[in-house]
Amino acid sequence: DAGVIQSPRHEVTEMGQEVTLRCKPISGHDYLFWYRQTMMRGLELLIYFNNNVPIDDSGMPEDRFSAKMPNASFSTLKIQPSEPRDSAVYFCASRVAGAGAHNEQFFGPGTRLTVL
Amino acid sequence: GQNIDQPTEMTATEGAIVQINCTYQTSGFNGLFWYQQHAGEAPTFLSYNVLDGLEEKGRFSSFLSRSKGYSYLLLKELQMKDSASYLCAVPGGATNKLIFGTGTLLAVQP
Repeated sequence: DAGVIQSPRHEVTEMGQEVTLRCKPISGHDYLFWYRQTMMRGLELLIYFNNNVPIDDSGMPEDRFSAKMPNASFSTLKIQPSEPRDSAVYFCASRVAGAGAHNEQFFGPGTRLTVL
Repeated sequence: GQNIDQPTEMTATEGAIVQINCTYQTSGFNGLFWYQQHAGEAPTFLSYNVLDGLEEKGRFSSFLSRSKGYSYLLLKELQMKDSASYLCAVPGGATNKLIFGTGTLLAVQP
């Protein structure tokens, strides 16, 4: 089975441009998570979805960030306009429903974003 | 709320044993996870503990004490490839989130 798929793997853009990151979760997984990782702040949860519905977006830094999940197999994270401080690795993760060990999340390879 | 503490960095020698500690505070406990993350790669699952005691899995073992809010990851017979960041994580109560510590960067030296 394919794991979580993310694209692009690397993105270099200029300040002010729109950036769209894409994620395909593992088939059958009910939850999808978007994280941002930097050296300074570690792994931060931005938003998560359950059955395509956004549940908690309290980690989204500001209105420049938005996320959608139009169906069970696709999600996007958009930054508009991008700023240099948005430079980070963005991970998507998914998991099945349930508690306990079901909380295990499976991570995609990440998108390394550089905003110049 | 939730809070997780781990040492920032550790260094150990190839072939030795190293213990990476994690202390946590959480409202409602539902298990503790350890993830491994090599530089430039995604975090990958190592272990899950929900009951007190030691869970052994090959060269890696994980220990939990719920009363003390404490866990450790024990790595035996260290290999160079074990150089990575080790992340401790707990579910965020009933919110279905995983709360991650900042990770411990382990450097294995020859």
